[in-house]
Amino acid sequence: KQEVTQIPAALSVPEGENLVLNCSFTDSAIYNLQWFRQDPGKGLTSLLLIQSSQREQTSGRLNASLDKSSGRSTLYIAASQPGDSATYLCAVRPKETSGSRLTFGEGTQLTVNP
Amino acid sequence: NAGVTQTPKFRVLKTGQSMTLLCAQDMNHEYMYWYRQDPGMGLRLIHYSVGEGTTAKGEVPDGYNVSRLKKQNFLLGLESAAPSQTSVYFCASSYSLWSADVNTEAFFGQGTRLTVV
Repeated sequence: KQEVTQIPAALSVPEGENLVLNCSFTDSAIYNLQWFRQDPGKGLTSLLLIQSSQREQTSGRLNASLDKSSGRSTLYIAASQPGDSATYLCAVRPKETSGSRLTFGEGTQLTVNP
Repeated sequence: NAGVTQTPKFRVLKTGQSMTLLCAQDMNHEYMYWYRQDPGMGLRLIHYSVGEGTTAKGEVPDGYNVSRLKKQNFLLGLESAAPSQTSVYFCASSYSLWSADVNTEAFFGQGTRLTVV
């Protein structure tokens, strides 16, 4: 059974710092991996989707990488801002369920201090 | 473009009452999902559907039923609510991975906060 882990559970950084969030998964047989952002009391907002054949995706100050063979993904946030404060979740689509399901990590709660 | 819309946004139920949560998407997505989110437990899949007229159990299906009579709608029912079902419920949708030339990102609704007393 696929399991997804995000470490650390919480992270606090000063504004302007570059930072990396980690996501690991136990089974490398995935179709894709997606990073989300969740603000308190809100739904999940999709940030980036990486297909299993890709190594990375970029959107603005965000860069997500995927190393499928080692079961790892990282989300790099450049020049962090207080508005980046949120919980970041990663999710994989395992091949064991024919890609019909998403399996989530528990998230990293990020606080960017002014 | 409304995306994924959940109704209602908040609800308080008494133990034993029933209710239906409605999820509607306007993106013509094949896949639809119901998750619950609880502190310390992350997002857990309740039920999902890979197309109109189909449903399947997720990780925590007990106490819930679903129906997908129309492609754009996915209903989650609680027949006899229990305090353990107090949670935030999220609906999501995406294209099938087997659709050609589409973005298979999953999109989420804003959630339904349910309290069972």
